[in-house]
Amino acid sequence: AQSVTQLDSQVPVFEEAPVELRCNYSSSVSVYLFWYVQYPNQGLQLLLKYLSGSTLVKGINGFEAEFNKSQTSFHLRKPSVHISDTAEYFCAVSESKAAGNKLTFGGGTRVLVKP
Amino acid sequence: EAGVTQSPTHLIKTRGQQATLRCSPISGHTSVYWYQQALGLGLQFLLWYDEGEERNRGNFPPRFSGRQFPNYSSELNVNALELEDSALYLCASSVTGGARPLHFGNGTRLTVT
Repeated sequence: AQSVTQLDSQVPVFEEAPVELRCNYSSSVSVYLFWYVQYPNQGLQLLLKYLSGSTLVKGINGFEAEFNKSQTSFHLRKPSVHISDTAEYFCAVSESKAAGNKLTFGGGTRVLVKP
Repeated sequence: EAGVTQSPTHLIKTRGQQATLRCSPISGHTSVYWYQQALGLGLQFLLWYDEGEERNRGNFPPRFSGRQFPNYSSELNVNALELEDSALYLCASSVTGGARPLHFGNGTRLTVT
């Protein structure tokens, strides 16, 4: 079974400052990794995914994440945040050998961008 | 391309009643997943349907059930509602096969009073 830990439940950050959201996972099998964003009163939107290949993955809205197999981490970064990045961010994994695409989610990190 | 649509947006029920939530996947997607997002409990996997069959089930009691129709739409039924069933219920769809991201709808907010 997999598990995902997002180390920070809340991250306040000033506008135009960088932000890093930490995600660690544990799994006995190889996994695919995802970051989703949830704006208030909405569903989840895919930011980026790591399936294989380059460990640095670029996503939408200027976000990127780096897969580190030895540290079982998949941290999300953005060099300069905007007010509109205020949202909750979820890290998720799925088993690469599984028949479907069931995701196991971390507990989420709330990002509050302050002017 | 139309996204995943869920109805109703909000649903208010009293304890002991039954709730039915509906989901239409993205055209071409045959897999539907249901998640519960309860306050303080994060996103919990409920059910996975593919090609009309239940493929996997999360750690929820049998009063949570559902089905998938021939057009791949799905409904989630919750019987004998309890107060702790109050949550946002999210539906997601994907094409069949691994390494496919899930596409989520905006959810149904179920409130049990």
